[in-house]
Amino acid sequence: QSALTQPASVSGSPGQSITISCSGTSSNVGSANLVSWYQQHPGKAPKLIIYEDIERPSGVASRFSGSKSGNTASLTISGLQAEDEAEYFCCSYAGGNTFYVFGSGTKVTVV
Amino acid sequence: QLQLQQSGPGLVTPSETLSLTCTVSGGSISISNYYWGWFRRPPGKGLEWIGSSYYRGTTYYSPSLQSRATMSVDTSKSQFSLNLNSVTAADTAVYYCARSRGRSGGLDVWGQGTSVTVSS
Repeated sequence: QSALTQPASVSGSPGQSITISCSGTSSNVGSANLVSWYQQHPGKAPKLIIYEDIERPSGVASRFSGSKSGNTASLTISGLQAEDEAEYFCCSYAGGNTFYVFGSGTKVTVV
Repeated sequence: QLQLQQSGPGLVTPSETLSLTCTVSGGSISISNYYWGWFRRPPGKGLEWIGSSYYRGTTYYSPSLQSRATMSVDTSKSQFSLNLNSVTAADTAVYYCARSRGRSGGLDVWGQGTSVTVSS
């Protein structure tokens, strides 16, 4: 059982916007600006797409954006594209000397 | 551009020790404010943090794996390693190494992953 709760699946049509939620507690998501998001295609390593809640690494498409309110973080993909079909994980600092906890993952389908 | 290359066996016998190495190229392992970590993803499950090391030797472990995991950094070889002892079928997973900025920062560079099966 993952420490952070994500929906199992989200779908959308090309060009639409979708939002994936990541629910935690005041000990993890709500404790510091240390939520990150990863995209993982089958058989590939995860790719960092959002860090420090809202920051986007260079080279990541601007259609990916992060936000946070209280103990819930969110990833929005605006203008969904076929290549966005993948699994997405949220991740947060967990408190003390536990550096990371992950969400259960959300499979995004472009229909 | 910094890259991480993983090496190690894909099959480990129950009760034995799983050993993996991650080699850093295209950059320095001895860089301030960056940590070197190990993660895994069991079949059908999400990612799990195993532990993270700083190049000077400080290491932090997941509480659930602390009793069985040992990590080390060899700056002369630009490598960091994971040993997980007394493995069982529950340790079957794809294992990844990755770099983070700071102790809990974004994981910006990943190894290619190593699929490890624990079976006799």
